[in-house]
Order: sequence, then C-alpha cells, then structure tokens
Amino acid sequence: AQKVTQAQTEISVVEKEDVTLDCVYETRDTTYYLFWYKQPPSGELVFLIRRNSFDEQNEISGRYSWNFQKSTSSFNFTITASQVVDSAVYFCALSEAALNDYKLSFGAGTTVTVRA
Amino acid sequence: DSGVTQTPKHLITATGQRVTLRCSPRSGDLSVYWYQQSLDQGLQFLIQYYNGEERAKGNILERFSAQQFPDLHSELNLSSLELGDSALYFCASSVAEATYEQYFGPGTRLTVT
Repeated sequence: AQKVTQAQTEISVVEKEDVTLDCVYETRDTTYYLFWYKQPPSGELVFLIRRNSFDEQNEISGRYSWNFQKSTSSFNFTITASQVVDSAVYFCALSEAALNDYKLSFGAGTTVTVRA
Repeated sequence: DSGVTQTPKHLITATGQRVTLRCSPRSGDLSVYWYQQSLDQGLQFLIQYYNGEERAKGNILERFSAQQFPDLHSELNLSSLELGDSALYFCASSVAEATYEQYFGPGTRLTVT
C-alpha cells in the first residue's frame, strides 16, 4: 500500500505566485518523521525539511513553509513568491520508527514548473 | 553539495553484465542507504548499512548486493543485469541509524542496453 500520496502530478505557475504541494501519509506508528526533498533538473535530491510526529508546530523558513496536521495525516509544503529556480520535482517522504528501519518511503513526486 | 559522493556518474553496460557502484558518505555519517529511482517504480529503498552492518532491506533483488567497508564507504553490486535495471541509483547518508535527515549523493545513472 502506498504510504505517501502526492495527488498533484504537475503544477505550473507564473513567477511570484505561491505554490502549495499536498502530501498525505499513512502510518500506524505514533513516532514517525516526515520530509520534503527537492529534485531539480540536474538530478540530485536535496533535503528541505524534516518534521517529527510530536511536533505539529508549523514553521516558515525563508520562502518555504509547511503545514503538518496529524488529524488529517497531511504534511503540505508551500513555496511563497516562487522563482524560476524553484522548478523541480518535489518529494514528500515518511520514515517510521517502529519498523526499526529508517528507510524513506517516498511519494510519487510533484513536478513544479515556474514560468518567468 | 551534500558531501556524499558517488561514482561513476554514468554507466552504460550490456545485459548480463555486472557493475559496482560506489558511495562515500558525508564525513562523520555512519549510516548509508541505497535507493533506486526509475520511471515506473519511483524512488524505492534498497538497503541500509550502519557502521558496517546491514540494518534493513527493502525491495532489493537477489541479483543485487551491497556492503559497507571499515572506512564507511559503500558499494552496490548489480549482477546479471537486465534492461529493467536501468535507473538512477542514489546513495544517501545520515549521522545515525535513527530518522535523521538523509543526505543524498548525485546518483549514478545506469543504462543497460
């Protein structure tokens, strides 16, 4: 069963628009970690943010912000005032501590295209 | 630059052959993970090592094997290659076993012809 669902396959925006990426996860663990990674056209995977299941405080880091809601099992990510350099595939990922392995289960990714 | 290095960057080989992918983790990181990214399967976890010992296995084929050496670098060996093994193979490292963020290398793009 898919543990992480990113329903949006592609999003296209004009520069300076805000972009919100949806992520819904599924786990029976009480302790888990959620991540967002970015994969630009060059191909590398870049770590953006991590959140643990005990911290639902939403934060802002520069142009990035995230909204973690355990009640709806969602971990959405927003890019404010998007720039062309934000064009990439964004992956949401889940790590479940109770399995005693710390692999990342990734969603299918959302391709973001920011047009000038 | 994540600090994780992978070699080679590109690899083209024929079906039935064997290849070795190499990964050096970030300085101080004890845990190494291997992932495969393909168009049909997405990003899939293969295997994890921590301080030289295998910790977890994911969807890794029996034709694939890996190890982590005393200097903490890791190698992923792929044998009897098939066309479907063509993919981007990532190595990632983290400080410890637990769910600290994983930092990914640039990947090795394997093409099997």
